Amino acid sequence: NAGVTQTPKFQVLKTGQSMTLQCAQDMNHEYMSWYRQDPGMGLRLIHYSVGAGITDQGEVPNGYNVSRSTTEDFPLRLLSAAPSQTSVYFCASSYSPSNTEAFFGQGTRLTVV
Amino acid sequence: GQQVMQIPQYQHVQEGEDFTTYCNSSTTLSNIQWYKQRPGGHPVFLIQLVKSGEVKKQKRLTFQFGEAKKNSSLHITATQTTDVGTYFCAGRHTGTASKLTFGTGTRLQVTL
Repeated sequence: NAGVTQTPKFQVLKTGQSMTLQCAQDMNHEYMSWYRQDPGMGLRLIHYSVGAGITDQGEVPNGYNVSRSTTEDFPLRLLSAAPSQTSVYFCASSYSPSNTEAFFGQGTRLTVV
Repeated sequence: GQQVMQIPQYQHVQEGEDFTTYCNSSTTLSNIQWYKQRPGGHPVFLIQLVKSGEVKKQKRLTFQFGEAKKNSSLHITATQTTDVGTYFCAGRHTGTASKLTFGTGTRLQVTL
């Protein structure tokens, strides 16, 4: 059972480049979310989805897009990378949006130069 | 906005000492969860509290949810080096239950 799989693990981008961080889960979870982790700031919610075809913004959505065409996949797109987006990104999923534990992927360490 | 703050930000203890981290929300929470993140790792779920005043124990870890459902604490008795990591609380604010808001985290360092 793979759980939540994120790719890539590491990425270096130049300012202005775009890229997609991949996230897939094989637990048939309805709820998926993306967080970024910066020193001293905990995990901040970027976007989340309560089911296929439904997405919503979190605390820090600017500069990021998401889509949820299937239950399994929830990619995060950086439209035009900026140094302020240098961070560790975590994808998480849970069975229900309101009261079950979140399972996290291994994370993607992104550096924008 | 809806915020969840944790204190302290960092604590260094000697093995065998106790440790407590506190979590405070600006608004009432429908439930609160606690996660542990080992250095270089990802957050891993520890426990969920739902009821006002709830107390749960896991071996040396004791979790409490405040009566007003706006604060929580995690207490570790007799820390061990395996307790090293960052502890996060995460809450769902009443009315926005689909958003899981994480606290700022407390990094625990344990030395012999």
